[in-house]
Amino acid sequence: QVQLVQSGAEVKKPGSSVKVSCKASGGTFSSNAISWVRQAPGQGLEWMGGIIPIFGTASYAQKFQGRVTMTAGESTSTAYMELSSLRSDDTAIYYCARDPQGGTTVTSYYFDSWGQGTLVTVSS
Amino acid sequence: SYELTQPPSVSVSPGQPASITCSGDKLGDKYACWYQQKPGQSPVLVIYQDYKRPSGIPERFSGSNSGNTATLTISGTQAMDEADYYCQAWDSGVVFGGGTKLTVL
Repeated sequence: QVQLVQSGAEVKKPGSSVKVSCKASGGTFSSNAISWVRQAPGQGLEWMGGIIPIFGTASYAQKFQGRVTMTAGESTSTAYMELSSLRSDDTAIYYCARDPQGGTTVTSYYFDSWGQGTLVTVSS
Repeated sequence: SYELTQPPSVSVSPGQPASITCSGDKLGDKYACWYQQKPGQSPVLVIYQDYKRPSGIPERFSGSNSGNTATLTISGTQAMDEADYYCQAWDSGVVFGGGTKLTVL
């Protein structure tokens, strides 16, 4: 099964940007969609969008359109999520998750592997 | 936008069956899956494509999906099953239910 290892915790000022990485090992990477899901303190899961590394095509949830950018490096088996114009309500744990089904579009019916999560704290 | 509704909490006695529901418009026409999340941990897939169990998930976890409701059932619930459970489906994007806290009393 694929292992996903994320970058460490971040503390950011309001208005700044954060970039979180997710490195995959032990399985296929390029042809499987990687999604980003966040969880605010004490709250539920929220999908932000996903990317298929081999195509470089990303699909974003409407809520984050214009503020999020997802990229991936095939040679490094690493996916990235950058969120800009940070606000205090962006404080959350950010997870990457892998869709085990291949395809040409981000259509993720389930995620079989999750990263350990990256805590992003937005505070002045 | 599409919504999935779960009860905020469910309580069960050890050894008894527990059922957690997930409701959405014509959810039975979509695939549903379920995740278990324990405090401080990442979600773990316990049911996918309505009723399939990933390897390593105990047989006491089962799922069904029909009409407007998907159901996660845990037979013979154990103390270790106490966790938050989230349903998920796809509708022009990934949609999660609000989560259900399962308490094993």
